[in-house]
Amino acid sequence: SQKIEQNSEALNIQEGKTATLTCNYTNYSPAYLQWYRQDPGRGPVFLLLIRENEKEKRKERLKVTFDTTLKQSLFHITASQPADSATYLCALAPRAGGGNKLTFGTGTQLKVEL
Amino acid sequence: EPEVTQTPSHQVTQMGQEVILRCVPISNHLYFYWYRQILGQKVEFLVSFYNNEISEKSEIFDDQFSVERPDGSNFTLKIRSTKLEDSAMYFCASSLGTSGTGELFFGEGSRLTVL
Repeated sequence: SQKIEQNSEALNIQEGKTATLTCNYTNYSPAYLQWYRQDPGRGPVFLLLIRENEKEKRKERLKVTFDTTLKQSLFHITASQPADSATYLCALAPRAGGGNKLTFGTGTQLKVEL
Repeated sequence: EPEVTQTPSHQVTQMGQEVILRCVPISNHLYFYWYRQILGQKVEFLVSFYNNEISEKSEIFDDQFSVERPDGSNFTLKIRSTKLEDSAMYFCASSLGTSGTGELFFGEGSRLTVL
């Protein structure tokens, strides 16, 4: 069955450092991979989308990589700030004709300390 | 900025009762979804809706669940006879295109507590 794994332990880093979060998947060939941010008690908020034929995508302080051979995506936040503290979810989307649902990972909680 | 709105924000109900959760998706979006998140667990897909019909549903979305877009703006999730295990946060989402091609816009959720 499909499985998406994210670091289950919370990640604590110091302000200004780069946070790197990992998303690994098995038994899946996604066409797209998305990253969302979720704050406690709130709905997920879209951050970035990367396609299977893209290796890297950037948006401001965020960078996502996608390695379909390793079946892994890395999500980087550079120059992290306390306001970046949240849970970050990766989500996989199927190919065209393969349905329209996003399959989410369990998320990694990031805490940026002063 | 347009947003997805959900009501109620919190509903407490007795087991066996019917519940309707309401959502107003972003007006020009074409695809609508319900996801749920049990406390401490991952966000799980329930159903997607396009062109006035269900396009996909998960195993969770059994006969006790139904969705409707009654008036062209609202999108509702009905649970006919709630069970304790239905207690969760229910998120409505909408998108302009299919979920793989672009972002999903999520509402703030409706917390359902079944006693």
